[in-house]
Amino acid sequence: GESVGLHLPTLSVQEGDNSIINCAYSNSASDYFIWYKQESGKGPQFIIDIRSNMDKRQGQRVTVLLNKTVKHLSLQIAATQPGDSAVYFCAEKGDTGGFKTIFGAGTRLFVKA
Amino acid sequence: NAGVMQNPRHLVRRRGQEARLRCSPMKGHSHVYWYRQLPEEGLKFMVYLQKENIIDESGMPKERFSAEFPKEGPSILRIQQVVRGDSAAYFCASSRERSYEQYFGPGTRLTVT
Repeated sequence: GESVGLHLPTLSVQEGDNSIINCAYSNSASDYFIWYKQESGKGPQFIIDIRSNMDKRQGQRVTVLLNKTVKHLSLQIAATQPGDSAVYFCAEKGDTGGFKTIFGAGTRLFVKA
Repeated sequence: NAGVMQNPRHLVRRRGQEARLRCSPMKGHSHVYWYRQLPEEGLKFMVYLQKENIIDESGMPKERFSAEFPKEGPSILRIQQVVRGDSAAYFCASSRERSYEQYFGPGTRLTVT
């Protein structure tokens, strides 16, 4: 069935370094992918999205890369800051024709000052 | 413009009691989604509703769980005869019609004792 999973459950980086969080998905029919950030005790916060007709999309300090050949997503955070410490989820839009979102398990990012 | 509102933020119920979780979507949003999150896990889709209609309830247990989104008032997720396994954070998200982008509320943390 559909699934979205992450390679690394925990990532620790030095402040100022770049972070890369990876994600694999299994449904080749998915056409929309989202990265969310979730801080402790809060709901997920939208970071950036990408449609399946794109390979790359950039935001403010974040870049999402989509490799449809190997069904892989990554989130790159430039100049990581302590405020970036959170759990990051990749998610895909399901193919039921509705708009439910299927979430992966998450990667916890620690930023060391 | 207020974000998605959920109440209560914390709810404690004894086994066998009923839990009612409320979600008020963002202004102008007509679609509501409910997700459940266990500690250290991703969000699991439960149900997707439009005003007065359940569009997709494929993630919601058939027994004890129900959801509604009336013409007036908030969306309600109702759990009857709660058991310890229902303890989790329940998140609501809302979106505009035909939009993939969902905005999440702060969640309701349900504890069943």
